[in-house]
Amino acid sequence: VMTQTPLSLSVTPGQPASISCKCSQSLLHSDGKTYLYWYLQKPGQSPQLLIYEVSSRFSGVPDRFSGSGSGTDFTLKISRVEAEDVGVYYCMQAINVRTFGQGTKLEIK
Amino acid sequence: QVQLQESGPGLVKPSETLSLTCTVSGGSISPYYWSWIRRPPGKGLEWIGYVYYSGSTNYNPSLKSRVTISVDSSKNQFSLKLYSVTAADTAVYYCVRDYSGTYVFDYWGQGTLVTVSS
Repeated sequence: VMTQTPLSLSVTPGQPASISCKCSQSLLHSDGKTYLYWYLQKPGQSPQLLIYEVSSRFSGVPDRFSGSGSGTDFTLKISRVEAEDVGVYYCMQAINVRTFGQGTKLEIK
Repeated sequence: QVQLQESGPGLVKPSETLSLTCTVSGGSISPYYWSWIRRPPGKGLEWIGYVYYSGSTNYNPSLKSRVTISVDSSKNQFSLKLYSVTAADTAVYYCVRDYSGTYVFDYWGQGTLVTVSS
């Protein structure tokens, strides 16, 4: 089970934002990798990969996005929210079957 | 650039079988895993299952009894069958490239809305 908090965020442009994701099991695999990912689904679009293996930014993702955590507790941070960051953010674990968090809806104030 | 395109009926009757195909272009089916994911109206993303290019599969335990995912490497396609559908299966269905050795879900189709209704 993946538990995301909060389920919604309203942020002023230029301010930071943070989303927490807690998993009921450790996501550290015996191969040394931690299979935790973050995605953003912008309105009217397919989801897009932001962060892979906890903290690595996918190609083209701005450096204002960062991921951290270990074991069962993880965090996505946006250092300075921009208008284009609106949408629903999901964490996802892929240690075996894939499980998404409930999603966090980010709005701009 | 890898591109994925879903195809199939947009309307399925209750108790019947939902069938979708994903065509992969700009890259090969092998040696990757390929998934189906859905998003019901007003809800979050749900992983349905994946197929490896060799044909091995893994399914969401909550859907396992009703799902078959298969691959046709000669056509660079993979397919989803969901049996005995109900209104709860109404959703936008996405085909997605799953594990590529580093990334998971790096390429997505545009999604196709499937409505279950009589």
